[in-house]
Amino acid sequence: DAGITQSPRYKITETGRQVTLMCHQTWSHSYMFWYRQDLGHGLRLIYYSAAADITDKGEVPDGYVVSRSKTENFPLTLESATRSQTSVYFCASSGTSAQETQYFGPGTRLLVL
Amino acid sequence: GQQLNQSPQSMFIQEGEDVSMNCTSSSIFNTWLWYKQDPGEGPVLLIALYKAGELTSNGRLTAQFGITRKDSFLNISASIPSDVGIYFCAGPEYGNQFYFGTGTSLTVIP
Repeated sequence: DAGITQSPRYKITETGRQVTLMCHQTWSHSYMFWYRQDLGHGLRLIYYSAAADITDKGEVPDGYVVSRSKTENFPLTLESATRSQTSVYFCASSGTSAQETQYFGPGTRLLVL
Repeated sequence: GQQLNQSPQSMFIQEGEDVSMNCTSSSIFNTWLWYKQDPGEGPVLLIALYKAGELTSNGRLTAQFGITRKDSFLNISASIPSDVGIYFCAGPEYGNQFYFGTGTSLTVIP
């Protein structure tokens, strides 16, 4: 009954380092999403995936890379972290359509020094 | 991109009071969703609306899908301390983009 999980829950890193945030869902949902949440901006879509090996950019994709080799996992990588990427990152999933209700993970709080 | 404007941005109310908030979009939506985010957690779905004019309740929460399909409203009756959090409206635009409002932060004073 895990649903959707994210790891780590908290991460502190330094500018220029590579960081990978993990997302895992147990529902076999087709769609998965990555959002960042910043004060004054609400939730903004970074990348999404319609199925394994299919990914597409969202509203704010620059500086991020995603992959989806398995349906249940959707890692988000910051190849060279910047201070502006300090944020709270949420992963979400939905069934067979991006139009369906999305279910969110608990979030990863990332601080880039 | 799509803009979902929520108002008010924040509310401070006394326990027992009713709460109203709304969300407007610059284009037509076919689905409106309302989420609540507790401090330190991810958003959780409260109510989903699928038809213009639809009025749906979930306990003390009532949400309406505006007739113009460009707005939605959420009401909370007889607020309690655990209603504290940030409330987001959301909706899918044609295609695969899903948009969220900037949120209404609710504080309930016991």
